[in-house]
Amino acid sequence: KAGVTQTPRYLIKTRGQQVTLSCSPISGHRSVSWYQQTPGQGLQFLFEYFSETQRNKGNFPGRFSGRQFSNSRSEMNVSTLELGDSALYLCASSLLPATGTSTDTQYFGPGTRLTVL
Amino acid sequence: AQSVAQPEDQVNVAEGNPLTVKCTYSVSGNPYLFWYVQYPNRGLQFLLKYITGDNLVKGSYGFEAEFNKSQTSFHLKKPSALVSDSALYFCAVRDMISNFGNEKLTFGTGTRLTIIP
Repeated sequence: KAGVTQTPRYLIKTRGQQVTLSCSPISGHRSVSWYQQTPGQGLQFLFEYFSETQRNKGNFPGRFSGRQFSNSRSEMNVSTLELGDSALYLCASSLLPATGTSTDTQYFGPGTRLTVL
Repeated sequence: AQSVAQPEDQVNVAEGNPLTVKCTYSVSGNPYLFWYVQYPNRGLQFLLKYITGDNLVKGSYGFEAEFNKSQTSFHLKKPSALVSDSALYFCAVRDMISNFGNEKLTFGTGTRLTIIP
């Protein structure tokens, strides 16, 4: 079974631009969560989508948004990029919702390394 | 609010020796605990999880973790370290008794494990 895939793997943008990252979950998984990983802040939860609905959202500004399609693939968009948005963006999928009382395991993709110049 | 602490940023162990990576947590209710490992330029790989039951949990690659409720700890262990175990290890927790939809997986800051040949 194929794992979680993320595209692109590397991205370089300049301040003020916008970017869209893509995540394809493990086949059959309906939950997709997004995390930002930086050396200073560690792993921070961005949001989770389940069955095309946002279930939960972390403490990030409105410049960060996402969506999920009917095939469970998810995209994350960051508008008006700032230097501080440089990070590894990780996507994780699970069969059941990752938030709430589920005991399901999240499986992570390799991440997209975003560099903002 | 739930939290997790990994008190050691760096752990060095000689090859063949036992290893321990420490993790303590804080939750209001019962914890749901994970260990993940991250290799360079890779996403997080699931190692093991504790939901309930036996306090000693066995996971991938020969790793195990011991849940200790009185000490609120979930230390990762391996009897004999391999050079290939060198990586970044993350502990994560979710409170199973929380406001529905608000709880999410909270990660520790990570411990870099280096196995010395």
